[in-house]
Amino acid sequence: GEDVEQSLFLSVREGDSSVINCTYTDSSSTYLYWYKQEPGAGLQLLTYIFSNMDMKQDQRLTVLLNKKDKHLSLRIADTQTGDSAIYFCAETVGDYKLSFGAGTTVTVRA
Amino acid sequence: SQTIHQWPATLVQPVGSPLSLECTVEGTSNPNLYWYRQAAGRGLQLLFYSVGIGQISSEVPQNLSASRPQDRQFILSSKKLLLSDSGFYLCASTVGTGNEKLFFGSGTQLSVL
Repeated sequence: GEDVEQSLFLSVREGDSSVINCTYTDSSSTYLYWYKQEPGAGLQLLTYIFSNMDMKQDQRLTVLLNKKDKHLSLRIADTQTGDSAIYFCAETVGDYKLSFGAGTTVTVRA
Repeated sequence: SQTIHQWPATLVQPVGSPLSLECTVEGTSNPNLYWYRQAAGRGLQLLFYSVGIGQISSEVPQNLSASRPQDRQFILSSKKLLLSDSGFYLCASTVGTGNEKLFFGSGTQLSVL
């Protein structure tokens, strides 16, 4: 299957950590991705993780991958107002395609 | 570094009119190219992808078509637009030795009235 699921909304206080969760279905996915979309713009690749890794950290971003449960999460430390956006989880499907979730709208409140 | 040019940024077209959206890529050669559509408030739907010149794979049957006349040019077309074709169209290109990274253009907001 190619269904990627993620919660639709997340509200977080400025300075707190945000955790966005995603489940995927294709156990043969090679890579898993997090993208960020700001209003009216294209998707920006934030980070990606190879399927044989459990964790990847990049500055304020931490990706955790649980292959057994097919669960991917993105943690944003010290969330700022500029982090308000839609975040998409995606998995590779076959050799050429990515399948995306519906996106999680993150709202950062003061 | 790779750059994806996509135009126009916004487009308003009447029902039944033709469509041509163009995407060009700089800074890479022989990329895989993609057209995605994003309906308002929803995720991304893969429409077409291409792994080489003249090679087009269609994911969703509809009144749209795609062509790749050059290595770094990908065109999305329609002969007659429908209301349901409204949406945000995104071109994307792979980057990386294993094509593991997918980068997106800035998108075209199409409104069919």
